[in-house]
Amino acid sequence: SQQGEEDPQALSIQEGENATMNCSYKTSINNLQWYRQNSGRGLVHLILIRSNEREKHSGRLRVTLDTSKKSSSLLITASRAADTASYFCATDTKAAGNKLTFGGGTRVLVKP
Amino acid sequence: GAGVSQTPSNKVTEKGKYVELRCDPISGHTALYWYRQSLGQGPEFLIYFQGTGAADDSGLPNDRFFAVRPEGSVSTLKIQRTERGDSAVYLCASSSRTSDTQYFGPGTRLTVL
Repeated sequence: SQQGEEDPQALSIQEGENATMNCSYKTSINNLQWYRQNSGRGLVHLILIRSNEREKHSGRLRVTLDTSKKSSSLLITASRAADTASYFCATDTKAAGNKLTFGGGTRVLVKP
Repeated sequence: GAGVSQTPSNKVTEKGKYVELRCDPISGHTALYWYRQSLGQGPEFLIYFQGTGAADDSGLPNDRFFAVRPEGSVSTLKIQRTERGDSAVYLCASSSRTSDTQYFGPGTRLTVL
């Protein structure tokens, strides 16, 4: 079963625009991670945010975490065609050890 | 440095056959994970090793699936009597003792005809 749900399921934007996607989860978490996947193969790690953190930045990426709402958002600023990919959030919990539970992903298309 | 590697990248087999999928984690990473991803879905956890032992195998769907990591490095996922429903991309990840970040390999796409 999947804990997280991403919203929207698909997103189409023009190059240079910002892309925002959201992730909701059901149980208390230890960490939340965002990954990018191109063409259905390996996942590339983007950002890890801990349950006691509220916001993290990495280059053009900004992640927020609201544990009271059990949700996170990923913002990609000034998007590029190369950002076209599927984006997944994944959570782990202290009770379940280190295994990650993924959402269904957001498919982002950045049009040149 | 080298990332997580997986072989083969693609495997086509017939229903009922036995397959082995290999994962070579990042050097020095003590934790190794297997996930399975069906088309259009997020990855789902299968099994997790800490060192040589399986710390959590709760995600293995049934007893046709088995994984080993005999020397605490390379791991092999073994699937007996494959079924068409086993077709998926099998992903391996590893992490170090000091970090919660999991680094993924490119995956093995398994197709059962």
